Amino acid sequence: AAGVIQSPRHLIKEKRETATLKCYPIPRHDTVYWYQQGPGQDPQFLISFYEKMQSDKGSIPDRFSAQQFSDYHSELNMSSLELGDSALYFCASSRRGSGGVSTDTQYFGPGTRLTVL
Amino acid sequence: GQQVMQIPQYQHVQEGEDFTTYCNSSTTLSNIQWYKQRPGGHPVFLIQLVKSGEVKKQKRLTFQFGEAKKNSSLHITATQTTDVGTYFCAGGSGGSNYKLTFGKGTLLTVNP
Repeated sequence: AAGVIQSPRHLIKEKRETATLKCYPIPRHDTVYWYQQGPGQDPQFLISFYEKMQSDKGSIPDRFSAQQFSDYHSELNMSSLELGDSALYFCASSRRGSGGVSTDTQYFGPGTRLTVL
Repeated sequence: GQQVMQIPQYQHVQEGEDFTTYCNSSTTLSNIQWYKQRPGGHPVFLIQLVKSGEVKKQKRLTFQFGEAKKNSSLHITATQTTDVGTYFCAGGSGGSNYKLTFGKGTLLTVNP
């Protein structure tokens, strides 16, 4: 079965540079979530999109922005990179259930390991 | 905001022993999801619980959702070395809010 695709898998940047992470959700999934996971930490929710509109916002720095495109892929743009931005960035996708109950399951991609030097 | 506490943080067992990790939410959840993350890997979905008091089994894994929908547990019977990894619970608060709040995870190591 098709899974969530993330690119690149590894990225090395210098401080103050910019980075763009891409996420391709599972086909027919309409919601994309971005998470940041530091070493030994749990995934921290950054932002999510449903049907190309931002649906929720977590602990995403102002230096970061994201969007979901018409083909449902999403990009996370990170500017003025800091050493503390070094982490694994996961994208997850889901297909929302009906009936007003949040039952959608999030499927995670393999992640992008960002290293800021 | 919503907080999900998970204990223990680490658990080391001998192969064949049982293992349990517990999650407790500060607020009532609409659903709880469990993920397993192997070292160097990504969180892999295991199961979702939605109903109050729900119990689900997957081979040696038993998942429970509390009656008040604020706590959950994952129990592994007779652990194997392939069970090694970090187990995360993640709570969903429902309504128009679809984001998950993850617990800190329990790192399970198994001594063969």
